[in-house]
Amino acid sequence: AQTVTQSQPEMSVQEAETVTLSCTYDTSESDYYLFWYKQPPSRQMILVIRQEAYKQQNATENRFSVNFQKAAKSFSLKISDSQLGDAAMYFCAYRRGSQGNLIFGKGTKLSVKP
Amino acid sequence: EPEVTQTPSHQVTQMGQEVILRCVPISNHLYFYWYRQILGQKVEFLVSFYNNEISEKSEIFDDQFSVERPDGSNFTLKIRSTKLEDSAMYFCASSRGGLGNQPQHFGDGTRLSIL
Repeated sequence: AQTVTQSQPEMSVQEAETVTLSCTYDTSESDYYLFWYKQPPSRQMILVIRQEAYKQQNATENRFSVNFQKAAKSFSLKISDSQLGDAAMYFCAYRRGSQGNLIFGKGTKLSVKP
Repeated sequence: EPEVTQTPSHQVTQMGQEVILRCVPISNHLYFYWYRQILGQKVEFLVSFYNNEISEKSEIFDDQFSVERPDGSNFTLKIRSTKLEDSAMYFCASSRGGLGNQPQHFGDGTRLSIL
């Protein structure tokens, strides 16, 4: 069975600084996708960034980028120039194939200090 | 931008009662999902639905639960004979389908409180 592990229950970053959130996963599948979702206190689940396993190039979305290490089964999220609005729970998620269900990690609570 | 809408935002129900959670997926999406998140815990998959039938379900999704797409726009989750441990945030999600990395878009959730 696939699993997703986020080893950092909480992280803190100073405004304008850079922070990296860790995620590892376990799978024997070759066709899969990885995601980071953000959940602010309002409890919405907002897609931050996504990565296809077959792509070697790391995904980027503005201030958000990933470090995808396929052999190590690692998928970390880097947030550059952190803003107060980045404070939220961040969930790493795995999906087998194009339409499978998402398997989430336990989340990392990110605090941003002014 | 189109979004997934869920109603109600908060539902309070007596233990043993039936509850129906409603979702309107994005209109051109073909795959629908329900997830739940018990307070302070991770998000867990319940069920996926495609072409008017369940495509996959987790061990959580037992006979107490059912899903339906009654009218081509709504997607409902029914929980019969609710238990205290059903208290959670329930999220509906939808995706377009097809090949490639189509993400799942989530609604704002329904907070279900069982008394």
